[in-house]
Amino acid sequence: EAGVAQSPRYKIIEKRQSVAFWCNPISGHATLYWYQQILGQGPKLLIQFQNNGVVDDSQLPKDRFSAERLKGVDSTLKIQPAKLEDSAVYLCASRLGRGALTTDTQYFGPGTRLTVL
Amino acid sequence: QKEVEQNSGPLSVPEGAIASLNCTYSDRVSQSFFWYRQYSGKSPELIMSIYSNGDKEDGRFTAQLNKASQYVSLLIRDSQPSDSATYLCAVKAGYSTLTFGKGTMLLVSP
Repeated sequence: EAGVAQSPRYKIIEKRQSVAFWCNPISGHATLYWYQQILGQGPKLLIQFQNNGVVDDSQLPKDRFSAERLKGVDSTLKIQPAKLEDSAVYLCASRLGRGALTTDTQYFGPGTRLTVL
Repeated sequence: QKEVEQNSGPLSVPEGAIASLNCTYSDRVSQSFFWYRQYSGKSPELIMSIYSNGDKEDGRFTAQLNKASQYVSLLIRDSQPSDSATYLCAVKAGYSTLTFGKGTMLLVSP
């Protein structure tokens, strides 16, 4: 079974530029998450999708970050314009469960390491 | 605000020893508890989950949960150098999403 795919793996941009990340979850997984992991910190949830609907985006900085999951499969996360403090690893994860109380596992992709200069 | 606290470490143990990793959480209604292992430059990987008070064993790993004390721990027996990684505690309450701690770095010396 193929895992969660992400691209690009690395990205270096200058502040005020825009950037987009792509995620393809495990086939059949209804729930998709985007996390931001700053060096030395645990992952912080940015947004959760259930199929193509947003479940939780309370920690997404909506003035500069946007995300979509058209057709309920793959997803893109965009930052526009980027700030120095956006330098982090952006992790995508997916989960099979269609119910919030299910205990099935979240599987993480390899992440995209973003450096903002 | 939900908080998950972990000692950042590093926790240094010799090969073959027991490593004990601890985590406390603030949300009393938390129901699901997870330990993830993250090697440097890699993504987190689930190694243990626990949902009820007591101990849960899986090979060299034992997770312990005490909801009254809002405390969860991970014991690694016969620690190996390959266990050197950052261990992330994550907590979930009902319909909420996972809240992660900052992680504890474990170093196992040969």
